[in-house]
Amino acid sequence: GDSVTQMEGPVTLSEEAFLTINCTYTATGYPSLFWYVQYPGEGLQLLLKATKADDKGSNKGFEATYRKETTSFHLEKGSVQVSDSAVYFCALAGRRALTFGSGTRLQVQP
Amino acid sequence: ETGVTQTPRHLVMGMTNKKSLKCEQHLGHNAMYWYKQSAKKPLELMFVYSLEERVENNSVPSRFSPECPNSSHLFLHLHTLQPEDSALYLCASSQERGQGPWPQHFGDGTRLSIL
Repeated sequence: GDSVTQMEGPVTLSEEAFLTINCTYTATGYPSLFWYVQYPGEGLQLLLKATKADDKGSNKGFEATYRKETTSFHLEKGSVQVSDSAVYFCALAGRRALTFGSGTRLQVQP
Repeated sequence: ETGVTQTPRHLVMGMTNKKSLKCEQHLGHNAMYWYKQSAKKPLELMFVYSLEERVENNSVPSRFSPECPNSSHLFLHLHTLQPEDSALYLCASSQERGQGPWPQHFGDGTRLSIL
């Protein structure tokens, strides 16, 4: 079945550092891929998406490229802020719903 | 404001109580979902409703009973829960459109604690 694997956290960075959160997936075909973010006490918010190979999703300085060859969708940001501290979830679109990774907690220190 | 509203935000109940969680979406979507989020575990899909018909039940115990009276409302009726059912319950909605991209929009969840 479908599955998503994310790097374990927490990831602790200083402000303005470069961020990479790895995500790989296993699925039949080429599903749409998503990154969601969850701030404390809130639900999940869609951060960005990509619908086909080589697509790059981007939003709020975050980027991720759909890599068919490596079945990956790594999340990157060039300069993180304290306000980016949250849990980040990688997900793929299955037949009926999304399959999520286990989430990666990011802590950004001033 | 995500367009998906869940109530209550917090719920504490005993194992013998009966309570219901409510979800309402204002996005005009045709599909709604219940997920369970436990500490240190991936989000678990519980139920999927498409056009008010339950299309997926992910081996959820019968002490959880969903209801979808219309495309805007989704309930999760709870009875005789166990301590391991304590979790954040998330509702989501989306517009199903076959093979196309369909991101789900989530509510803020109900934090459920079973005593």
